[in-house]
Amino acid sequence: SQQGEEDPQALSIQEGENATMNCSYKTSINNLQWYRQNSGRGLVHLILIRSNEREKHSGRLRVTLDTSKKSSSLLITASRAADTASYFCATDAWDNYGQNFVFGPGTRLSVLP
Amino acid sequence: SQTIHQWPATLVQPVGSPLSLECTVEGTSNPNLYWYRQAAGRGLQLLFYSVGIGQISSEVPQNLSASRPQDRQFILSSKKLLLSDSGFYLCAWSVKGNTIYFGEGSWLTVV
Repeated sequence: SQQGEEDPQALSIQEGENATMNCSYKTSINNLQWYRQNSGRGLVHLILIRSNEREKHSGRLRVTLDTSKKSSSLLITASRAADTASYFCATDAWDNYGQNFVFGPGTRLSVLP
Repeated sequence: SQTIHQWPATLVQPVGSPLSLECTVEGTSNPNLYWYRQAAGRGLQLLFYSVGIGQISSEVPQNLSASRPQDRQFILSSKKLLLSDSGFYLCAWSVKGNTIYFGEGSWLTVV
């Protein structure tokens, strides 16, 4: 099963409202990252939070991490129509070969004008 | 600054034909390199990743293969495409332990 799983799968809000997306994971991590993807495009990195951090801000984005619950949340404040996109969390995973990154299925955010 | 180039951006291939998607990274040395596939409206599935030249880890048994002939070049190939190979393929790189960065992706339609 996937390491990171976001919820909700889809979220529709009005412009100006806040959007909150959650991510849960199963195993220990070194860091967790959030990405944005516009339809048909590559993923754009938003923010990285390390396992020893609890909260991080970047502009209108706020990310929290609770390692005891193995969960993270992404809050977008004062949303805009341009925030419409899919949002993914990714956790690092290690095996005998090296490090890779596991992505959840994503949350599709629609911000209505 | 680092950049990643992935091509072609789109391609339509008949079933049974070969495939070659290429990815190059500039501005960094010895990156980890990754190939992901994304089905329509879905998350990303890790296909291959590489920690060095000639070192490839295959994550999912499939009709595809990957090669890393040079430090900053990663190639995704198939000898005979299947309909199920259709999807959005993303190349990515990271410096160990840090952020993973993506190319713009390649849309593959197998007909």
